[in-house]
Amino acid sequence: GENVEQHPSTLSVQEGDSAVIKCTYSDSASNYFPWYKQELGKRPQLIIDIRSNVGEKKDQRIAVTLNKTAKHFSLHITETQPEDSAVYFCAATLGYNFNKFYFGSGTKLNVKP
Amino acid sequence: GAVVSQHPSWVICKSGTSVKIECRSLDFQATTMFWYRQFPKQSLMLMATSNEGSKATYEQGVEKDKFLINHASLTLSTLTVTSAHPEDSSFYICSVDLGTAGGEQFFGPGTRLTVL
Repeated sequence: GENVEQHPSTLSVQEGDSAVIKCTYSDSASNYFPWYKQELGKRPQLIIDIRSNVGEKKDQRIAVTLNKTAKHFSLHITETQPEDSAVYFCAATLGYNFNKFYFGSGTKLNVKP
Repeated sequence: GAVVSQHPSWVICKSGTSVKIECRSLDFQATTMFWYRQFPKQSLMLMATSNEGSKATYEQGVEKDKFLINHASLTLSTLTVTSAHPEDSSFYICSVDLGTAGGEQFFGPGTRLTVL
C-alpha cells in the first residue's frame, strides 16, 4: 500500500511569516496529491491539490510543489494569518486505485499574532 | 462538488451495543464512498471503500464483521459498529468520491462515537 510521511508534526510561526509542510510518498504510481485543512472537531476541507503531471500550483497565498522523482510534495503558505491555524493533512492516492486516499500524520500549524 | 451529511453527529453508547452511522450524499449519486476513523490528535485512517450494490472492501487490519458497511443506494452508506468497546471510541468520517480518475473527495462532518 501507500505510505505517506509528513513533517513537521507541529509548526509555530509569527503572523506574516511563511510556513512549509513537507510530505513524502512511497507509491510511484500515485497521481493525485491533495492538501486538507481540518479545524478541531470539523471535517477536512480541501485547500489545494496537484496532479502528477504538474510540478507546481498556486492559489493566492497557498502553493503546492511536487517532485515526482524524489516522491515528495510540499505545501507553502505565505503571509500567514491567525485564521490559518489548524491541522493540515497531505494525502496521496494509491497507484492502482486512483481514488483511495492515504493521509499523512498531520501538521498542527499555530500562527501567532 | 458534493454535499455530504452524517447522522448522528455524536453518539454515546454502552459497551457491547451496536451503533449505526449514516452517510448521505445530498446532491450527488455516489457509487463509491469511503469510511475513515480518526483518533484524537491523529490522522485519518482509511477503513473501507463502500461500493453501491456490492460488498465493501476493507483495509488491512479492519475487521469486516465488526464494522459492517451497507451501501444500498446511491445516496446512502451506513457503517455499523457491532459490539462496540471503549477502544472503538473515535471520530468516524465518510467521504464521497465524484468518480474522476484521481480527484477530490468531499467529507461528511463526522460522527463522534464514545463507548462507555
